[in-house]
Amino acid sequence: SQELEQSPQSLIVQEGKNLTINCTSSKTLYGLYWYKQKYGEGLIFLMMLQKGGEEKSHEKITAKLDEKKQQSSLHITASQPSHAGIYLCGAGHSGGYQKVTFGTGTKLQVIP
Amino acid sequence: DTAVSQTPKYLVTQMGNDKSIKCEQNLGHDTMYWYKQDSKKFLKIMFSYNNKELIINETVPNRFSPKSPDKAHLNLHINSLELGDSAVYFCASEGANEKLFFGSGTQLSVL
Repeated sequence: SQELEQSPQSLIVQEGKNLTINCTSSKTLYGLYWYKQKYGEGLIFLMMLQKGGEEKSHEKITAKLDEKKQQSSLHITASQPSHAGIYLCGAGHSGGYQKVTFGTGTKLQVIP
Repeated sequence: DTAVSQTPKYLVTQMGNDKSIKCEQNLGHDTMYWYKQDSKKFLKIMFSYNNKELIINETVPNRFSPKSPDKAHLNLHINSLELGDSAVYFCASEGANEKLFFGSGTQLSVL
């Protein structure tokens, strides 16, 4: 069963617009990671959140983890064509050798 | 220098063939992974190795055999390739706090 659900699945926005991508887990998250994949390339680490209520920003991208640590959002302000790609949330889980599982991904297109 | 390098980047082959994908990391990490990304872009874990030992095997057909000659390398060998094996395969290396460093992926097309 899918542990991480992302929404929306795809998103087309006009350049300059703000957007939000959500990631919801059926279990408590012990670490939430956001990655970006550019078409045909590898995955690039964006941010990691570990504490309930935590918020981090990098340039125009802000990620938040809710207090219950089951939901995270990624917000992009004033989107640019360079933001286009697939955004994936990944979750670490407790116990032993941990594995990171991934959400379903959100494909973002930014129209100039 | 590329931290996690995969080769080849593209692989086109016929059904029934055997192929290998190589992965090397120069980060000194102990744990490496293979992920399969399907046509819907969903990343699913296949294997995890820690210091050359298999830790995770996520119900992958035994046609897939990972091999780790040392902790910097985790290769993926696939026997008797099937059409459904077509996908992008990502190798990853795990650093502190579970942060993953990914290779650029290998796009496998089985004809």
